[in-house]
Amino acid sequence: GAGVSQSPRYKVAKRGQDVALRCDPISGHVSLFWYQQALGQGPEFLTYFQNEAQLDKSGLPSDRFFAERPEGSVSTLKIQRTQQEDSAVYLCASSPNGGSAYNEQFFGPGTRLTVL
Amino acid sequence: GDSVTQMEGPVTLSEEAFLTINCTYTATGYPSLFWYVQYPGEGLQLLLKATKADDKGSNKGFEATYRKETTSFHLEKGSVQVSDSAVYFCAEGGSYIPTFGRGTSLIVHP
Repeated sequence: GAGVSQSPRYKVAKRGQDVALRCDPISGHVSLFWYQQALGQGPEFLTYFQNEAQLDKSGLPSDRFFAERPEGSVSTLKIQRTQQEDSAVYLCASSPNGGSAYNEQFFGPGTRLTVL
Repeated sequence: GDSVTQMEGPVTLSEEAFLTINCTYTATGYPSLFWYVQYPGEGLQLLLKATKADDKGSNKGFEATYRKETTSFHLEKGSVQVSDSAVYFCAEGGSYIPTFGRGTSLIVHP
């Protein structure tokens, strides 16, 4: 079956532009996570959804970052007024069950954002 | 907060060499422990996991044993192949948010 997909795969933005990153999780997966991965680092948690409910957004670095999952499937991560420090790979992951770090997460290929 | 420390890379080996990538964690209690692998241009995928002390996770010739006494989960493989070249991430799941290490790049030469 289809895995987690993300689009676009690459995005170049000028500083100050708004960007929107899309994640299509595996069909039927309850949990959806967004991570930020800086060069040479491991994924850092941004936010977590269980179905359409955003249960944890403690990892979002500023109020310029906003995520939604209105129908409990596709999710969008939006970054307003992008800054150079936002340059990173943004990973989406889904899991079939409710939130538990005992469960395997299935990752998409990521969106590489470069802010000039 | 919780953290995961893994050895810095890159680790460069010849084909059929023995591999060890060290990983230690700080979470208290009995977190689940994972190794994820990321091949070039692809997303992270689960390689193996262990959910309780002394468990051994294994897959594709890789294995790791959950050592509570040393808070470690070292990854090993007896004979690496060129196709094993990738970045390997150790992770712990003490709550519903996993904590990942920085990743260790493995390069295997023919």
